[in-house]
Amino acid sequence: QVQVVESGGGLVKPGGSLRLSCEVSGFTFSDYYMSWIRQPPGKGLEWVSYISSSGSDIHYADSVKGRFTVSRDNAKNSLYLQMNSLRVEDTAIYYCAKVPYYWGQGTLVTVSS
Amino acid sequence: DIQMTQSPSSLSASVGDRVTITCRASQGIDGWLAWYQQKPEKAPQCLIYATSTLQSGVPSRFSGSGSGTDFTLTISSLQPEDFATYYCQQYNTYPLTFGGGTKVEMK
Repeated sequence: QVQVVESGGGLVKPGGSLRLSCEVSGFTFSDYYMSWIRQPPGKGLEWVSYISSSGSDIHYADSVKGRFTVSRDNAKNSLYLQMNSLRVEDTAIYYCAKVPYYWGQGTLVTVSS
Repeated sequence: DIQMTQSPSSLSASVGDRVTITCRASQGIDGWLAWYQQKPEKAPQCLIYATSTLQSGVPSRFSGSGSGTDFTLTISSLQPEDFATYYCQQYNTYPLTFGGGTKVEMK
């Protein structure tokens, strides 16, 4: 049974940093690319970042480029998102996903003073 | 970026109705189109991928079709548990992009 579990969300002030984690089980994590996707409260879905199975190919949405860094540890079946210089508009539920098949339940990031 | 235009943005329907939601891509996506269902306070769940392949465990009343730039999600007979918001997504090209969503409400 596939499980995708995010953690690390919370309340942070503008300009602050946060690191999200995502632990996966039930499929061979090291074989697959992974993505982060976010959803501001009451709004639609926005893709944030992609990382290939080896970590050698990475993409970011323009809205987070230069501020967010995605990484993975295949030995730990884990995906990470380091978020720096956070803005109010980064407030959202962040989902870890093996697009399109499996998504986690999300972790809420709130950026507010 | 590929724009995904989803319509309608909302609809009212009754149990047993046939419901159709459309999604148009601004350029071809080689069939790499997924449909998601999202209920309040829950994560999106994949219903259909690669235009028409049903995700495991998804009821057969859901179906997907289309090609090129035009795609459709059909619910053949709406059930009470189907009242939710539906999103399309292209995963052919980065950045991955989503439609704006269709909220299916009870009439």
